[in-house]
Amino acid sequence: NAGVTQTPKFQVLKTGQSMTLQCAQDMNHNSMYWYRQDPGMGLRLIYYSASEGTTDKGEVPNGYNVSRLNKREFSLRLESAAPSQTSVYFCASSVTTEPQHFGDGTRLSIL
Amino acid sequence: QQQVKQSPQSLIVQKGGIPIINCAYENTAFDYFPWYQQFPGKGPALLIAIRPDVSEKKEGRFTISFNKSAKQFSLHIMDSQPGDSATYFCAAKPSNDYKLSFGAGTTVTVRA
Repeated sequence: NAGVTQTPKFQVLKTGQSMTLQCAQDMNHNSMYWYRQDPGMGLRLIYYSASEGTTDKGEVPNGYNVSRLNKREFSLRLESAAPSQTSVYFCASSVTTEPQHFGDGTRLSIL
Repeated sequence: QQQVKQSPQSLIVQKGGIPIINCAYENTAFDYFPWYQQFPGKGPALLIAIRPDVSEKKEGRFTISFNKSAKQFSLHIMDSQPGDSATYFCAAKPSNDYKLSFGAGTTVTVRA
């Protein structure tokens, strides 16, 4: 039972570089989410996707783009990384309108 | 600013004790209140959730109490065990909205 799988687990980037965080779920869920977790701030929603082909902005979307490639996969792209985007990123999925299953996160450092 | 205020930031209890975590909110449109448990190096996991039509919900050793008039809700961990040591997050949102607002988290340590 894989659940929600995120890759990579760790990444270090230089300011201005781009990268894509990958997420896949094998539970046939319609809803998928991207969150960032920073110390003392809980989790903040970056983008979500209610179903294949749809995406919507969350609380902190600036500097990010997403793609819902198919029902299984939801990727998060940083076009020009900034130090303020250093964080732990979590992907989640659910059958409802709230996240139920999270991946183990991508720890991203931007120098 | 955070829409859900969570306290305390951390707490330590002895095995068998009852850690209590409190959360408060202002947005009266919130009507779904979940709690998540997170172990180090892992993603959060949905633990238990409550809607405002009930004042208490129990699942195993975890109990949510809800006070609609005070706009507060809390998590109690009964007969706590060292394996319950984790960070707990409260959250809230309107029912049909995808935008869940999280509290800042409480790190619970249960000593054997």
